[in-house]
Amino acid sequence: DAMVIQNPRYQVTQFGKPVTLSCSQTLNHNVMYWYQQKSSQAPKLLFHYYDKDFNNEADTPDNFQSRRPNTSFCFLDIRSPGLGDAAMYLCATSREGGGAESNQPQHFGDGTRLSIL
Amino acid sequence: AQTVTQSQPEMSVQEAETVTLSCTYDTSENNYYLFWYKQPPSRQMILVIRQEAYKQQNATENRFSVNFQKAAKSFSLKISDSQLGDTAMYFCAFMGMDSNYQLIWGAGTKLIIKP
Repeated sequence: DAMVIQNPRYQVTQFGKPVTLSCSQTLNHNVMYWYQQKSSQAPKLLFHYYDKDFNNEADTPDNFQSRRPNTSFCFLDIRSPGLGDAAMYLCATSREGGGAESNQPQHFGDGTRLSIL
Repeated sequence: AQTVTQSQPEMSVQEAETVTLSCTYDTSENNYYLFWYKQPPSRQMILVIRQEAYKQQNATENRFSVNFQKAAKSFSLKISDSQLGDTAMYFCAFMGMDSNYQLIWGAGTKLIIKP
């Protein structure tokens, strides 16, 4: 089945130690998103890629970076994680092509739960 | 700026009952999309139902249906014959036509189905 895959499901890192979360998709969607979700709260958009075009949210900390080497893969890099960065990180994709394909719903992965020691 | 409000932080009902989750939103746009997403405990966020604002007919998906009142800016979700597997966080979300693909999320409603 086509899907959005996030690895790993659980990630533990040390305070200040860089960490990378990965996301891959077999849906061939051209838009990919990274969200941060803290307990029982709505997801907060960090950034998204429309094809190769990167779009950063104004309030996303500089500590968070992203890479999209090809259509299928997208990475979230946290350069110096702090205790406040402990959260669930969700990757999502959507197909945006204008006309009838506009504003298609987003498809989510299972998420990576990040813990900071 | 658009906002989405879910006024019920938590609800619980008995299995097989019908439950309605409320959602209101604020926008000056005329064309937009509304979504209900479900997030079971420690599981994936999945789309439950989707409504285009230009369609007057309320969307339905099996046991899930919406009551879309455009003038009132209301978008409630009705779950009929509720099942234990319906226990989850439910998020209402808005996407404008010129939103740059951003979803505006409500705070969520935690729904518990009791056996």
